[in-house]
Amino acid sequence: QSALTQPASVSGSPGQSITISCTGTSSDVGGYNYVSWYQQHPGKAPKLMIYDVSNRPSGVSNRFSGSKSGNTASLTISGLQAEDEADYYCSSYTSSSTLEVFGTGTKVTVL
Amino acid sequence: QITLKESGPTLVKPTQTLTLTCTFSGFSLSTSGVGVGWIRQPPGKALEWLALIYWNDDKRYSPSLKSRLTITKDTSKNQVVLTMTNMDPVDTATYYCAHRRYGMDVWGQGTTVTVSS
Repeated sequence: QSALTQPASVSGSPGQSITISCTGTSSDVGGYNYVSWYQQHPGKAPKLMIYDVSNRPSGVSNRFSGSKSGNTASLTISGLQAEDEADYYCSSYTSSSTLEVFGTGTKVTVL
Repeated sequence: QITLKESGPTLVKPTQTLTLTCTFSGFSLSTSGVGVGWIRQPPGKALEWLALIYWNDDKRYSPSLKSRLTITKDTSKNQVVLTMTNMDPVDTATYYCAHRRYGMDVWGQGTTVTVSS
C-alpha cells in the first residue's frame, strides 16, 4: 500500500500556529476515523499525539489538535514552542491492507 | 505504568533470520482490545509498519513483507516475538515495538539492527 502524503517540512515562529496535512484516499484517511499522529524527536521513539482523528491522549498539550476533511487529515500546533521542533508522522487504517499505513513524515522547524 | 523493551541481535548477515523480542510490563495481552505492534525506521527515513498482534491472536502484517514475517505472543511471559526471514542490507533499521489500545500509545526505546556480511 502507498504511504500517506505529508509535506516534507513546515516551519513557523514561536507563538504561531502551523498545520501539517496528511493526504490519503477514500480507502484510508477518507474512509475511516482512525488517523493517528506521532511526534518524534531525533534519536527518540515516536510519541502518540492524536488518535482517532482528533483525540488527545492524557498528558498531551492541548496546543495539539487534529481534524479531517475528505481524504486529508490535519495536525495543528498552536502557540508553537521550541520543543515542538521534531518530525511528525500520520498513520491511518486502510482497507487495502489489514495493517495501517504511515505518512511520509514532516519536519517541523521553529524559526 | 506501561513499558516495552525490544531485544535481539544488533548485527545479522544477509539471508539470515532475525528474531526480535518485545518484553512488556504494565498490561496484559489477554485484555480485550489490546495489541502489540512492530514498526521499523531505516536511518533517515520514515516509519514503516511491520506487524501487529491482538489480544485474541488476530495477526496483521505489512502486505509487502508478509511472506517474511511471523508475529507471535506469549501471554504468560509478557512477550511478543517477531521473526523476519531472508534479511537484506535494506532491512537495516531501528525496530520498535509499541502498545496499542488507542493508537500506538506507548513505545519501546527501539533496537538497531544492521544487516551486513
